[in-house]
Amino acid sequence: GAGVSQSPSNKVTEKGKDVELRCDPISGHTALYWYRQRLGQGLEFLIYFQGNSAPDKSGLPSDRFSAERTGESVSTLTIQRTQQEDSAVYLCASSTRTGINIQYFGAGTRLSVL
Amino acid sequence: GEDVEQSLFLSVREGDSSVINCTYTDSSSTYLYWYKQEPGAGLQLLTYIFSNMDMKQDQRLTVLLNKKDKHLSLRIADTQTGDSAIYFCAETHPGSGGYQKVTFGTGTKLQVIP
Repeated sequence: GAGVSQSPSNKVTEKGKDVELRCDPISGHTALYWYRQRLGQGLEFLIYFQGNSAPDKSGLPSDRFSAERTGESVSTLTIQRTQQEDSAVYLCASSTRTGINIQYFGAGTRLSVL
Repeated sequence: GEDVEQSLFLSVREGDSSVINCTYTDSSSTYLYWYKQEPGAGLQLLTYIFSNMDMKQDQRLTVLLNKKDKHLSLRIADTQTGDSAIYFCAETHPGSGGYQKVTFGTGTKLQVIP
């Protein structure tokens, strides 16, 4: 597609429920990243994919968080047993992973855990 | 670990120059970036600078890099109301998995007063 697409744009869930967030990167971008942005804070790195593998998942905050990528395209970030502290905007970015590594961002999914 | 710091807020009058400052800790940074985030949107790359450069100018934007002090600044000339946004400084450094990992600052919210 023309840009990075994320869905849903907004998600409200109850504490303890599982949620899945989706990212469609720019076609041909081999690198894909997930970030978390809490209100009034900077971007917190979660995970990096190169193709379908994740060589750097050092930012995942707990084992409730997992992500996968298939077909070197779509990625899903899953949060199990959501907690109120998981409320944030989850941003996805993709890049060609060459040279200066410019990352192109989606508009994000705003997750609210009640 | 790597750390990127910015002041949280800057207010300027329309037509004045804005200067947004950033400090970082990683001496092995290769590229440094400025991203802009408008309300409800993802981040968009504004400009970048190689670590072996002191200055880069791009229309109304001037980036200054003091590598000795690990200080980066973004100057916006003739600031307009459309420049109101959050500005993120970012730097790259080697991450696990053999890629250039990007660390983002906390973001500076620029308010332009008409």
